[in-house]
Amino acid sequence: DAGVTQSPTHLIKTRGQQVTLRCSPKSGHDTVSWYQQALGQGPQFIFQYYEEEERQRGNFPDRFSGHQFPNYSSELNVNALLLGDSALYLCASTNVGAFYTDTQYFGPGTRLTVL
Amino acid sequence: QQPVQSPQAVILREGEDAVINCSSSKALYSVHWYRQKHGEAPVFLMILLKGGEQKGHEKISASFNEKKQQSSLYLTASQLSYSGTYFCGSTFRGSTLGRLYFGRGTQLTVWP
Repeated sequence: DAGVTQSPTHLIKTRGQQVTLRCSPKSGHDTVSWYQQALGQGPQFIFQYYEEEERQRGNFPDRFSGHQFPNYSSELNVNALLLGDSALYLCASTNVGAFYTDTQYFGPGTRLTVL
Repeated sequence: QQPVQSPQAVILREGEDAVINCSSSKALYSVHWYRQKHGEAPVFLMILLKGGEQKGHEKISASFNEKKQQSSLYLTASQLSYSGTYFCGSTFRGSTLGRLYFGRGTQLTVWP
């Protein structure tokens, strides 16, 4: 049973560039959440996708956008990169049935470095 | 709304016990515990859904005190493999579904 997968593993960009990160949820899961984890911090919620729509969003600017495909995989796009966007980006998947009881499983993350 | 974890760091010898606390100023609905090793994804340990609930996972267990708005993670007879950063992720009554608010983590180091 494949777990959550993410690509690429590492990415180096320069300020002002744009980046796309990808996530495939765990088999049987239909909901994908994205988190940003700065060094030494806990993960911070960016947004969540279900049925190809953004269901809820954290306190992140519009430079952060996403998409979910019919096969439940998801993309995170960040435009006009800033140095402060350097972080580990985590994707988590779950089933929509009962969020308050269901577990979110995390992927290995994409380490983004902005120079 | 971010829960507060304590202590920030713990250093143990193999076989010793540790307790990690996660508290909130807002009414907790559920608490999710994860362990993250350096450079890896957070790994789910357990979820607690209602006040007073205790769950166990090998020698790692947790409790949820709804009145104190606090959860505690207990690691007994620690092993080298327990080293890592432990995070609690919380949901709150009245908050939107599926969004976890994470604490800043507790770094646990187990020495032989």
